[in-house]
Amino acid sequence: GENVEQHPSTLSVQEGDSAVIKCTYSDSASNYFPWYKQELGKRPQLIIDIRSNVGEKKDQRIAVTLNKTAKHFSLHITETQPEDSAVYFCAANPWGNQGGKLIFGQGTELSVKP
Amino acid sequence: NAGVTQTPKFRVLKTGQSMTLLCAQDMNHEYMYWYRQDPGMGLRLIHYSVGEGTTAKGEVPDGYNVSRLKKQNFLLGLESAAPSQTSVYFCASSLHREETQYFGPGTRLLVL
Repeated sequence: GENVEQHPSTLSVQEGDSAVIKCTYSDSASNYFPWYKQELGKRPQLIIDIRSNVGEKKDQRIAVTLNKTAKHFSLHITETQPEDSAVYFCAANPWGNQGGKLIFGQGTELSVKP
Repeated sequence: NAGVTQTPKFRVLKTGQSMTLLCAQDMNHEYMYWYRQDPGMGLRLIHYSVGEGTTAKGEVPDGYNVSRLKKQNFLLGLESAAPSQTSVYFCASSLHREETQYFGPGTRLLVL
């Protein structure tokens, strides 16, 4: 069935280091891959997304890469700061344009130590 | 512009009781979603709606019902609550599919 696997479940880095979170998906029809950030006690918020017609997208310190052949995509955060500490979720849209829903990964708790 | 709001914020139920969670959005979004969030399991889709008067099942629909009688509202019902339904429930909306989903603040539900 439809599935999104996310790794690692926890990640601890020193301030200024880079952080990488990886996701794999099962449905080859998926064509939209957003990333959400959830701070403690808050609601999830979109930070970046990528569509299947591009392989990479950047927004300041955040970048996402997509490998459709291997069915995996990754979030890269450079020069991490304490305010990057949060839970990050990847997602994919099963059934592609026929769908309308997202399947989320299990989440990665990122801790940035000053 | 309040965005997405949820009512109530917190509720305690006894096993077997029923309740309705209300989600409202003022952004004229077509799509609305109900998720539950449990530790280590991410956000799991319960039901969703692609427009007024339509609903569809998500990953974990059993024990829940939904209705979308008005475009701006999406109701989630628990007919007979079970302890396994203890969770944080998030509503979200998006203008169209494959667009940003805007989440509500969440409802914390405890079933005893």
